[in-house]
Amino acid sequence: DAKTTQPPSMDCAEGRAANLPCNHSTISGNEYVYWYRQIHSQGPQYIIHGLKNNETNEMASLIITEDRKSSTLILPHATLRDTAVYYCIAKAYSGAGSYQLTFGKGTKLSVIP
Amino acid sequence: DGGITQSPKYLFRKEGQNVTLSCEQNLNHDAMYWYRQDPGQGLRLIYYSQIVNDFQKGDIAEGYSVSREKKESFPLTVTSAQKNPTAFYLCASSISGRFYEQYFGPGTRLTVT
Repeated sequence: DAKTTQPPSMDCAEGRAANLPCNHSTISGNEYVYWYRQIHSQGPQYIIHGLKNNETNEMASLIITEDRKSSTLILPHATLRDTAVYYCIAKAYSGAGSYQLTFGKGTKLSVIP
Repeated sequence: DGGITQSPKYLFRKEGQNVTLSCEQNLNHDAMYWYRQDPGQGLRLIYYSQIVNDFQKGDIAEGYSVSREKKESFPLTVTSAQKNPTAFYLCASSISGRFYEQYFGPGTRLTVT
């Protein structure tokens, strides 16, 4: 797995976009970037993943740089319920196989009223 | 509603006792996982199972055991050999081949004194 680096904490004003960066400078060509979040004392929740194209779903957008060495998770209109720890994971995917996700310490996002 | 249940939410045991944590899912997922989380840390994989009657060790399997006799159930036993069993334990499941989209239960907080 490629090593990922995230800031330990960030603040965001309620209603504004939250931009969470992740550095994965050693990522290889077949490694995807996955994002999860964990609200306090709950299980993590899958958010989004991507390989090289930008991705968007109902929860967030994922912007991956052209050289794939970094990415940004965007929550377009942060609410207080988005306060959580956000994990960025870089992992190869080879279809059917036994793969495990490695969760680091992530970024603690605090949405401020 | 489909989902993953873990019980109990809080569990207290005396040192030297084995304890079994329950994990049940009705999502019809083939793969199931057990993670451990310590305060302020990310998640670490204990065991995972891709199919009934088969399971593999994760990064920190020592002192733990599992069984997978039914698709819906993946109980974890914390044995007396586990040196630091006090932690937050999370169970997850996924569709086979979509390991990256794991659905997590609410967790069990185990305290051993």
